[in-house]
Amino acid sequence: NAGVTQTPKFQVLKTGQSMTLQCAQDMNHEYMSWYRQDPGMGLRLIHYSVGAGITDQGEVPNGYNVSRSTTEDFPLRLLSAAPSQTSVYFCASSTGTSYTFGSGTRLTVV
Amino acid sequence: GIQVEQSPPDLILQEGANSTLRCNFSDSVNNLQWFHQNPWGQLINLFYIPSGTKQNGRLSATTVATERYSLLYISSSQTTDSGVYFCAVPYYGNNRLAFGKGNQVVVIP
Repeated sequence: NAGVTQTPKFQVLKTGQSMTLQCAQDMNHEYMSWYRQDPGMGLRLIHYSVGAGITDQGEVPNGYNVSRSTTEDFPLRLLSAAPSQTSVYFCASSTGTSYTFGSGTRLTVV
Repeated sequence: GIQVEQSPPDLILQEGANSTLRCNFSDSVNNLQWFHQNPWGQLINLFYIPSGTKQNGRLSATTVATERYSLLYISSSQTTDSGVYFCAVPYYGNNRLAFGKGNQVVVIP
């Protein structure tokens, strides 16, 4: 039982490049979400999904895209990376009352 | 949007000491979460506590929803308690969480 698996753990991108952060969970949770964590800012919600085929925006969605084709997977796409997207990204899955987070992806955009 | 404020922002404890962390929120909520982020960055869900008091080992949490605050108690602190403690509350339904900026706790031996 792996919980929530995020890949990669570290990534360096050049401005304008695109990439996909992968997130997979094996707990059959309907709810999944992506957060970014910046120094002194806590965690901020980017996008979330309440089930396969259903996604919605969070607090800071600009520059990011998501899709949810299966219950297990919830990838986050950076369309054209910018230095402001340098951050640590966390994926989470939830029952609604209990949250399980992935180990995070540290992204640097130069 | 809903505001979540945590205090104190930083806390240094001697091993064995007790402490209380506070979370204030600006609007009525129907539940609240506490998380711990260890020094290696891993986030663990400590409590789901819409109201009342819950205990988990040396940690306990109390939420007084009518007064819009929650408290996290750490008793007999250990070095493994070091890290950042976040509280989070839902907004616009239960599918979005707003996090506070966290309480940075350092427990020294």
